[in-house]
Amino acid sequence: DGGITQSPKYLFRKEGQNVTLSCEQNLNHDAMYWYRQDPGQGLRLIYYSQIVNDFQKGDIAEGYSVSREKKESFPLTVTSAQKNPTAFYLCASSARTLLNTEAFFGQGTRLTVV
Amino acid sequence: DQQVKQNSPSLSVQEGRISILNCDYTNSMFDYFLWYKKYPAEGPTFLISISSIKDKNEDGRFTVFLNKSAKHLSLHIVPSQPGDSAVYFCAASVIQAAGNKLTFGGGTRVLVKP
Repeated sequence: DGGITQSPKYLFRKEGQNVTLSCEQNLNHDAMYWYRQDPGQGLRLIYYSQIVNDFQKGDIAEGYSVSREKKESFPLTVTSAQKNPTAFYLCASSARTLLNTEAFFGQGTRLTVV
Repeated sequence: DQQVKQNSPSLSVQEGRISILNCDYTNSMFDYFLWYKKYPAEGPTFLISISSIKDKNEDGRFTVFLNKSAKHLSLHIVPSQPGDSAVYFCAASVIQAAGNKLTFGGGTRVLVKP
């Protein structure tokens, strides 16, 4: 079945460590996105990529890094520079078309930094 | 500056009655609007969308209304069912050839009482 897979579902890391969240899609979508959700809040855009080997900062990119070496994969690294990394992270993808702008989401990764 | 706002954080409604969720936006460039439903610890799932060339879109029990002059949209769920209990996010985007970024509101938690 086509979809977006995020792994792991739960992740614990010590403060000061970098951690990489995985996101893979087999929908043949060009665009991929990373969002962050904090308790009681909406989704905020961290980074997005419209095509392989290209990505742009979203609204809250500080302390994060990404890569887009393959169309199917868009990993997110939460670095030690991110002041409040504990959150629920959501990856999404969408087709690169004028007509269809619906984004499909993965099941999310809950990152807890202790 | 929050470009998409959902001013009601929660809504409680009796089963069988209508649920009305509201969303306001400030960016006049937005021309595509979506509603997503989200359960705890899961990714959002797409519900319904509307383009700025329309003022209404209906899909089964879900209807979205758009008032461009007021920069306001609403989601009506009729009749409400207990399985509709979830957090609903309004999102907006600017349709462009290179894919789209979704800007989300803060969400409205809906509780449908049996």
